[in-house]
Amino acid sequence: GAVVSQHPSRVICKSGTSVKIECRSLDFQATTMFWYRQFPKQSLMLMATSNEGSKATYEQGVEKDKFLINHASLTLSTLTVTSAHPEDSSFYICSAGTSESSTDTQYFGPGTRLTVL
Amino acid sequence: QQQVKQSPQSLIVQKGGISIINCAYENTAFDYFPWYQQFPGKGPALLIAIRPDVSEKKEGRFTISFNKSAKQFSLHIMDSQPGDSATYFCAASNQEKSSGDKLTFGTGTRLAVRP
Repeated sequence: GAVVSQHPSRVICKSGTSVKIECRSLDFQATTMFWYRQFPKQSLMLMATSNEGSKATYEQGVEKDKFLINHASLTLSTLTVTSAHPEDSSFYICSAGTSESSTDTQYFGPGTRLTVL
Repeated sequence: QQQVKQSPQSLIVQKGGISIINCAYENTAFDYFPWYQQFPGKGPALLIAIRPDVSEKKEGRFTISFNKSAKQFSLHIMDSQPGDSATYFCAASNQEKSSGDKLTFGTGTRLAVRP
């Protein structure tokens, strides 16, 4: 099956620093990648959609200058949380989709737990 | 218009019983309805999915029932096991759109299966 990895799985940083999270599709080419954040005991909230080689599309209310997304290749997308603050602490999850299958299923990564002190 | 409503919020079932989780949607343009299973600290994993051209889909102990006219779909877990204890999310998307299959998630159901 399709595998999506994320790195790191956990990160703790100081307030004001920037953190980069990588999302990779390991055995397929992802035409589209999605970034979500999830607070404890809550659902997944879509932050942005990125297509390889083009600018990401951000959901309403998501600051694009704070959450920088780069989708440089068909297997790699990165999310950079700039000038992180404690309220940015959350579980960040990426997913990757491909148009190669008839159902265009999204496959999710294992998530990255960000803690901002 | 984009909401997907999910119930119940939490569910306790005895081992061997049937777990039933319900979802309702508003956007008639949705044409793909997956269910995801998520364990604590992990990403969601696709469990089973259905398109509106069928009313039911079964994979092992998991069955999706779909009612297009009522705009409702449900997940049935037969012979529930303690290992099924997790949070389940329904979702919906419009795969005909060029926006890249954005998934709209339900609020989640925390299932606990008692031994």
